[in-house]
Amino acid sequence: QVRLQESGPGLVKPSETLSLTCTVSGASLTNYYWAWIRQSPGKGLECIGHIYHTGATVYSPSLKSRVTISLGTSKSQFSLMLTSVTAADTAVYFCARYSNPPRHFQLWGQGTLVTVSS
Amino acid sequence: QTVVTQEPSLSVSPGGTVTLTCGLSSGSVSTDYFPSWYQQTPGQPPRPLIYTTNTRSSGVPDRFSGSILGNKAALTITGAQADDECDYYCVLYMGSSIWVFGGGTKLTVL
Repeated sequence: QVRLQESGPGLVKPSETLSLTCTVSGASLTNYYWAWIRQSPGKGLECIGHIYHTGATVYSPSLKSRVTISLGTSKSQFSLMLTSVTAADTAVYFCARYSNPPRHFQLWGQGTLVTVSS
Repeated sequence: QTVVTQEPSLSVSPGGTVTLTCGLSSGSVSTDYFPSWYQQTPGQPPRPLIYTTNTRSSGVPDRFSGSILGNKAALTITGAQADDECDYYCVLYMGSSIWVFGGGTKLTVL
């Protein structure tokens, strides 16, 4: 059974960098896209971006200047970095496996809450 | 910037049928947008329900169905049950590997 688990600090100070890791168990990263999606408290979902197992990335236009998604040193991890965070970046961050074909977010991690506050 | 629209809230009686829709602020939704639907209960990640317009994800009961109705994607729930009461999100593929979620629909079963 494939599982995704997010990890990282739950509290980040304004202007600093948010860093999260997604650990994939039960499968390798090969032949899938791996995404980060966030959900602000009480609000909807927002795609941050994704990475293919080759390392190719696509980012949301609204976050592109601050986001880096990378493959981990471990073959079963990928990571998110978001720079210059503000309170507006407070959200639950999910990692997900995106398949193509068919195009959809087929597996999700449980999510991790990141609060931006001094 | 294109906005994906959903009804903020809907209600349905137990055993009844309800249709949730997913539209665009400008233009029509077609199968080219690969609409997919997700169900979310509080404190849980979204659960895949429907992808590529009308394909049910593994384990999803057949009372959930997807379609294109007019100029929108649609999720229809027939025989609504109490545990269908939660939030539903659609997401559309905009091309260039960009996906945009709708704002979600809060479904009440009463």
